Order: sequence, then structure tokens, then C-alpha cells
Amino acid sequence: DVKVTQSSRYLVKRTGEKVFLECVQDMDHENMFWYRQDPGLGLRLIYFSYDVKMKEKGDIPEGYSVSREKKERFSLILESASTNQTSMYLCASRGGGAGTEAFFGQGTRLTVV
Amino acid sequence: AQSVSQHNHHVILSEAASLELGCNYSYGGTVNLFWYVQYPGQHLQLLLKYFSGDPLVKGIKGFEAEFIKSKFSFNLRKPSVQWSDTAEYFCAVNAPGNTDKLIFGTGTRLQVFP
Repeated sequence: DVKVTQSSRYLVKRTGEKVFLECVQDMDHENMFWYRQDPGLGLRLIYFSYDVKMKEKGDIPEGYSVSREKKERFSLILESASTNQTSMYLCASRGGGAGTEAFFGQGTRLTVV
Repeated sequence: AQSVSQHNHHVILSEAASLELGCNYSYGGTVNLFWYVQYPGQHLQLLLKYFSGDPLVKGIKGFEAEFIKSKFSFNLRKPSVQWSDTAEYFCAVNAPGNTDKLIFGTGTRLQVFP
């Protein structure tokens, strides 16, 4: 059974903290994604990685950075957490090719206080 | 800006009613289209996809979608909904020029009452 695992289901952090969200996939997929999901706004792409050490900005990269040192792991970093980054964060992975399915993790609900 | 639009934000139906959820995209060129579903408390999962060929695509749980290139649309349909179809539905497009980047719409929340 394919799996995308996010390290935490719930996180509470203080304003100004550096926050790491981890995601691991076991499908040897080239592509990994970080989205944030907010009511009424759907899924917005933060960053996308198409290979180890390769990344591309999505629609809302401000305030975030990413790291992909190994193929199976994709980390999202909030350099200095702010309250407007309170959200549900979803990680996904996908094989190469336009018609391939993306597989999602369960999500991390981050609250910044 | 290039985007994916879902105009129905919240749909409420009774069981056995027919369903159609709209999805429009603004990308030119060849696109690949997807519908994902998120049941309460669960992760997103693929419902169906259009890659090429027959524009009428059938998916799981009796869902289907029709790709109409001239209208830039990929609407999701089901002839008779069930209470278990209560979920949030997301349309997604594979961005042309970058075949691996997936862009999602804003989602439609469907509530089905018995």
C-alpha cells in the first residue's frame, strides 16, 4: 500500500519560532509537493520539488522554504512562524508523467499562537 | 492569471438527487485533468482523471466527468448521490509546460442528506 507520511498531525507553535514539517514517501516518486488548505481557498501550492535538491516556487512561497536532501523526504520550513500561517498543510508525492496520480498525506494542522 | 475555478462552493442535496459540479481552467494547450475527493477526516484521494482519448471519463463510486475542450471545462457528475458522498471535491489541472505540477481549484463542499 502506497504511503505518504507527515510527521505530525497537530502542531502548536509560537509566533517567531522556526517550524519544520516533515514528509516521507515510500513510492520512489520524483515529485513532491507542499500545499496549504484553507476553507474557501482550496489547496494552494507552496513549493514543488521535481528531484533531489531541486525545487520550484508555487503560488504562495513567501515565508516558507523547503529542503529535499533525499528522494523520499521533503521538508517544509517556516522561517519565522506567523499567525497567518495557521493552516492545514498537505504533502503529496507523484511519479513522473502528466497523467500520474498524486498521493497525499493525512495533513498537519498547524496553529501559530 | 492561469487558474482552476470551481464555482460551486457549497452544494446541499438529498439522497438520490443528481449531481453536477463545475470546473473550469484557464490554461491553453494540452492539459490533464483530475478530480480528487476528501471524505471527512481522510486524506485526498483520486476520483478520476482525463489523460487523453474519450472525453467522458468514468471513475470510482459511480462518478464521471466530461472534458469539453472548447469550454475549458471538466465537470463532475453523478446521477444519484448517496449520503456517503458527503465530502469535499477538488478539481486539479496538470500545468502545461511542466507536466508534473498540479494546480488545484478552491473545492466544493457537498452535503448529502438522507
